Parts: sequence; C-alpha cells; structure tokens
Amino acid sequence: NAGVTQTPKFQVLKTGQSMTLQCAQDMNHEYMSWYRQDPGMGLRLIHYSVGAGITDQGEVPNGYNVSRSTTEDFPLRLLSAAPSQTSVYFCASSYSIATGGVTEAFFGQGTRLTVV
Amino acid sequence: AQKITQTQPGMFVQEKEAVTLDCTYDTSDQSYGLFWYKQPSSGEMIFLIYQGSYDEQNATEGRYSLNFQKARKSANLVISASQLGDSAMYFCAMRRDNNAGNMLTFGGGTRLMVKP
Repeated sequence: NAGVTQTPKFQVLKTGQSMTLQCAQDMNHEYMSWYRQDPGMGLRLIHYSVGAGITDQGEVPNGYNVSRSTTEDFPLRLLSAAPSQTSVYFCASSYSIATGGVTEAFFGQGTRLTVV
Repeated sequence: AQKITQTQPGMFVQEKEAVTLDCTYDTSDQSYGLFWYKQPSSGEMIFLIYQGSYDEQNATEGRYSLNFQKARKSANLVISASQLGDSAMYFCAMRRDNNAGNMLTFGGGTRLMVKP
C-alpha cells in the first residue's frame, strides 16, 4: 500500500501566487488533516476532516482552504502565498477514534514550501 | 487548551545505552491519548508508541517504552540499547479522545544524537 501520498515534495512560490498541495490516502481512513512544521518546532494543525464533505479549522487556518469531496483526497489550497507560509506541510490520516484501538495518525512524506 | 512540553531541545547518548526523553502535558480532559513520533533527517513522521490515559500498564514496543505518570502528567519515552539509527527528532503528541478528528497537539521536539 502507498499509505499517504503528498505532491509535490518541493515547491517555490512567489508572494501572492496560489497553489494546491495534494494529499491522497489509500487506507480508507475517515479522518484526514493538514499540519505545518516550522523550523525547530512541532507540528501545528491547519485544517482537518472527519469524512467526505466535512471539514473544520485547526489552530492555524488563516490563508488556507480545504475541501474533501472523496474519502481518499484532501487538498490544501494556499489562496495568496506569503513568506510566513514558508514551512513543511504534512498531511495525515487515521481511522475514526470510534473504531477503537490506537488509531495512530499516518503521515505523508511532507511538502517543503518556500515563498519568496 | 492542551499543551505539550518537551524541555530537552537536544540530547546525546552513547550507543547501546538507554536514554529517556521527557514529555509533560497539560489537559483537563479525563480521556486522552499520548503518542511519540520519530522524525529522522529524511523528514518523515514515524509512529513509535501510544499510551491511553486509562491504560494502567506502561506501553512497550520493542526497544521503546513509555513511562506514564498520570498524576504528574508526564509521558517520558525510554529507548533502550540506543542505536546509531535512533539519531532523529522525537515528538510527543496528545489527542483528546472527545475530539471529532483525531487532532494532535505536538510538543516542540527533542533532537537525539547517538554517539558511536
């Protein structure tokens, strides 16, 4: 299984440009989420989804949009890139907590984004 | 709000020795989960171990064990018999079990360096 796949792996944007980071999972997980990791810091939650058609904001949602039209895909859109959005972005997925057990989050390989 | 504190920005350990990475957390919830993730220099997030707040026994997974002290709100990771491949960033994270999206709150991380 591929697990969680993110594309692209690297991206350079100019200030004001928009782009979409792609995330796909093949584990039939209900939950998906986006985090950003700034240098020397832990991950912070941007947006999350508990199922197709349902999304909500996390800790740092400003400047980002998400949608979830299918169980497998959860793209993250940067509306107008700013240098403060330079970061490494991780997509994660997991089973619902109601499933029971550990339900750990599985992470993609990350997208390193630089905004100049 | 939940908060995770990792007070050791960096640590050295001699190969084959044991090492403890500290993690304290702050929550008013009764039901929650604690996770440890490893992030090698290649950047991916690797799940290591999980402890549920109602688990009476400390979790163990191979060379990893979690020293869970609920009253002190600590969840330290113990790595036995350190190997060179253990050199990486280690993140402690917490999940509220009553949240809808398996959202994780991360600490700032500890960089572990294993000396040969």
